[in-house]
Amino acid sequence: DTEVTQTPKHLVMGMTNKKSLKCEQHMGHRAMYWYKQKAKKPPELMFVYSYEKLSINESVPSRFSPECPNSSLLNLHLHALQPEDSALYLCASSQHTRLAGSYNEQFFGPGTRLTVL
Amino acid sequence: QKEVEQNSGPLSVPEGAIASLNCTYSDRGSQSFFWYRQYSGKSPELIMFIYSNGDKEDGRFTAQLNKASQYVSLLIRDSQPSDSATYLCAVIWGSSNTGKLIFGQGTTLQVKP
Repeated sequence: DTEVTQTPKHLVMGMTNKKSLKCEQHMGHRAMYWYKQKAKKPPELMFVYSYEKLSINESVPSRFSPECPNSSLLNLHLHALQPEDSALYLCASSQHTRLAGSYNEQFFGPGTRLTVL
Repeated sequence: QKEVEQNSGPLSVPEGAIASLNCTYSDRGSQSFFWYRQYSGKSPELIMFIYSNGDKEDGRFTAQLNKASQYVSLLIRDSQPSDSATYLCAVIWGSSNTGKLIFGQGTTLQVKP
């Protein structure tokens, strides 16, 4: 199994809603990531989890709350979002986060397309 | 200076030609380099990674790395219309084991039949 799965594929929510995005991998990877991608822009890193611990928060607003319940699962909890938060949210995983050498390549899931009304 | 720079394109090549995509990066300490392909409306797909100076070939794709010049490139031989996509260069950033991946703006490749 070399796949990263994400649910839901599409999500429409109001600014007062609370929703969650889910990401799962069964490759035994110990690093998982959340990225945000706006149209015609590259992905931008939001959070990094390494061995289920949050290692990087790229100054993301608190209305985005990540959670890593176990080594295979990654959630992103959403609350009181703004219309400008509408984007494609990508989850990725890698074997580890080492700077050099093999097995640090990141594999992306299909993404959740989020629309905030 | 941007951290990872690519020409946005579009780069247009005829079917069967070689497409050459280029990328420069500003962090001399970077050691891991990746090329992703992204079709419109889809997520990035890893197509090549390279860690050592020189060339790395995989099928029709060749990645080239020159750390002294801080330059990485991707050659696509025998380009096909199905290769038409945005190609993202990405670099693991910094001098510690953070996994922080920084992307260039992407180069749009158009392969014309």
